[in-house]
Amino acid sequence: QVHLQQSGPGLVKPSQTLSLTCVISGDSVSGNSAAWNWIRQSPSRGLEWLGWTYFRSKWYNDYAVSVRSRIAINADTSKNQFSLQLNSVTPEDTAVYYCATRRFDSWGQGTLVTVSS
Amino acid sequence: QAVVTQEPSLTVSPGGTVTLTCGSSTGAVTSGHYPYWFQQRPGQAPRALIFDTNNRYSSTPSRFSGSLLGGKAALTLSDAQPDDEAEYYCLLFHSTIAMYGGGTKLTVL
Repeated sequence: QVHLQQSGPGLVKPSQTLSLTCVISGDSVSGNSAAWNWIRQSPSRGLEWLGWTYFRSKWYNDYAVSVRSRIAINADTSKNQFSLQLNSVTPEDTAVYYCATRRFDSWGQGTLVTVSS
Repeated sequence: QAVVTQEPSLTVSPGGTVTLTCGSSTGAVTSGHYPYWFQQRPGQAPRALIFDTNNRYSSTPSRFSGSLLGGKAALTLSDAQPDDEAEYYCLLFHSTIAMYGGGTKLTVL
């Protein structure tokens, strides 16, 4: 069973960058059948898939249209983790953020990120 | 951009059967959308129940089943239990981009 442990700040100022990390136990971030998701949930936007990263001879990323211009998901093989960066945040980005495995069968504990000055 | 649609709410009697559906604004849902179904109880993270249309995870009770029905993905719950009262979300892949539906609030009453 894969275990995901999230970390990152719970408060981000408007216009700044939201950064979260998800450390993986029980699988390899660069596994050839693995993929790593970021999802968020807020009362106003519901559940929203943000994007994922995966390695198939090289790294690939796909992002939701709604955040494509300001999101980056990267993997760090040396630490077996992956990260989310969301730039130019507004209060609309306030949500609980989750990382999850390829088939969504394991989730991080969730991080409430509030965007406020 | 595609929109994924679900019934806002449904009610089922204890022991009864109910079917939740998941549609796409782009047309008929097929196995190529790799439909997923999630259950979320208040205060908890979503829990995946079904992947790739009709595959249960090892922890998914057998009373949950997935299918394609009338151009939509479907989640059928048989022998509904009070504990099944929750919000249910579907997720569809459009190419390599995933999208959630708005969720169905299922009441067992």
